[in-house]
Amino acid sequence: DAGVIQSPRHEVTEMGQEVTLRCKPISGHDYLFWYRQTMMRGLELLIYFNNNVPIDDSGMPEDRFSAKMPNASFSTLKIQPSEPRDSAVYFCASSLGGPGYEQYFGPGTRLTVT
Amino acid sequence: GNSVTQMEGPVTLSEEAFLTINCTYTATGYPSLFWYVQYPGEGLQLLLKATKADDKGSNKGFEATYRKETTSFHLEKGSVQVSDSAVYFCARYSGNTPLVFGKGTRLSVIA
Repeated sequence: DAGVIQSPRHEVTEMGQEVTLRCKPISGHDYLFWYRQTMMRGLELLIYFNNNVPIDDSGMPEDRFSAKMPNASFSTLKIQPSEPRDSAVYFCASSLGGPGYEQYFGPGTRLTVT
Repeated sequence: GNSVTQMEGPVTLSEEAFLTINCTYTATGYPSLFWYVQYPGEGLQLLLKATKADDKGSNKGFEATYRKETTSFHLEKGSVQVSDSAVYFCARYSGNTPLVFGKGTRLSVIA
């Protein structure tokens, strides 16, 4: 299995631009998670889905952030408009059976907003 | 609430030294406990887990015992290697709440 796939691996953009991060979970997994990692705040859960339905988006920082999962094999995290404080590494993870089961993380997208 | 507290890093050890990374958790509910490891430039991966009191999780020479009386899940390894250099995250899961991670402890092992 190829594991969780994220793209792009690196993204540099200017403040105010729209950013879209992409994730392909492991085939057959029914849960998908989006995390953000920074030095200051550590690893934060932004949102997670079960069978393509958002279950908990309480970690999404503000309305500038949105996430979708149109089908079982694809999810996007969009930031519009982006700000310098959004600079972080964004991870996608998937699991089979729920948040308490092993989560498989992708390699992450390093986002820099200038 | 649900939280996990890890010892602050970074931790720097010589090869073959004994490692302990402390982790304590809030006692709400009956959580499952995990250690994840993040190697440089990669995502997190599960290292070991324990689902009930007195369980011991082990993998790759690492061990952690679920101690309900002290609400702890300390990570140990008897002899670390340079390849163990990474960031280690303690995490807890209880009920239907999402996995809660500690802030991570960076370990550097020098030859």
